Amino acid sequence: EVQLVESGGGLVQPGGSLRLSCVASGFTFSTSWMTWVRQAPGKGLEWVANIKQDGSEKYYLDSVKGRFTISRDNAKNSLFLQMNSLRAEDTAVYYCVRESTYDYYFDYWGQGSLVTVSS
Amino acid sequence: QSALTQPASVSGSPGQSITISCTGTNSDVGSYNLVSWYQHHPGKAPKLMIYEVTKRPSGASNRFSGSKSGNTASLTISGLQAEDEADYYCCSYVGGTTSVLFGGGTKLTVL
Repeated sequence: EVQLVESGGGLVQPGGSLRLSCVASGFTFSTSWMTWVRQAPGKGLEWVANIKQDGSEKYYLDSVKGRFTISRDNAKNSLFLQMNSLRAEDTAVYYCVRESTYDYYFDYWGQGSLVTVSS
Repeated sequence: QSALTQPASVSGSPGQSITISCTGTNSDVGSYNLVSWYQHHPGKAPKLMIYEVTKRPSGASNRFSGSKSGNTASLTISGLQAEDEADYYCCSYVGGTTSVLFGGGTKLTVL
């Protein structure tokens, strides 16, 4: 059974930092592109960042470039999102997602981790 | 880039068919057969229902089908059931990038 389990969310003040983690099981993590997708309260889904299998390529949503860093540890089947200089508009549920290679669809999703940026 | 355009809500009675549209541009939906659809019950993980416009993954009901014409993709659900009540999101590859755009989401109500 495929599982993606996120952790690390919580309440943080504007300008603060938070690191999200995701542990994967049930599929070959090291051969999968991985992605973070978020959903702000009352809003739709939004692609945030993705990372190639070996970590050599990383891509970001324009509004998070320079503030968020995606990384992975294939030995531990883990995906991370380091979020710095957080803003109120980053408040959202963040989903860890497996992305198909080259076909740009998402076949496995975690349950999500809530990040709230507020003073 | 702006999100793909979906109707905010659709509704139908059990047993009926409904169609949800997803309109993009010739930089995304119109130029690539890389449209996917997701079902999202609030509080749960989104679920892939259709990929590459028309393909259905194992585990997705055959009552769900996808199509595309020009810059608009569509998701059709036939034989509506109460369990289909959820939010639905379309998604398309954006040409010249390594990212995707999602639609704003459509809330399906089964009357």
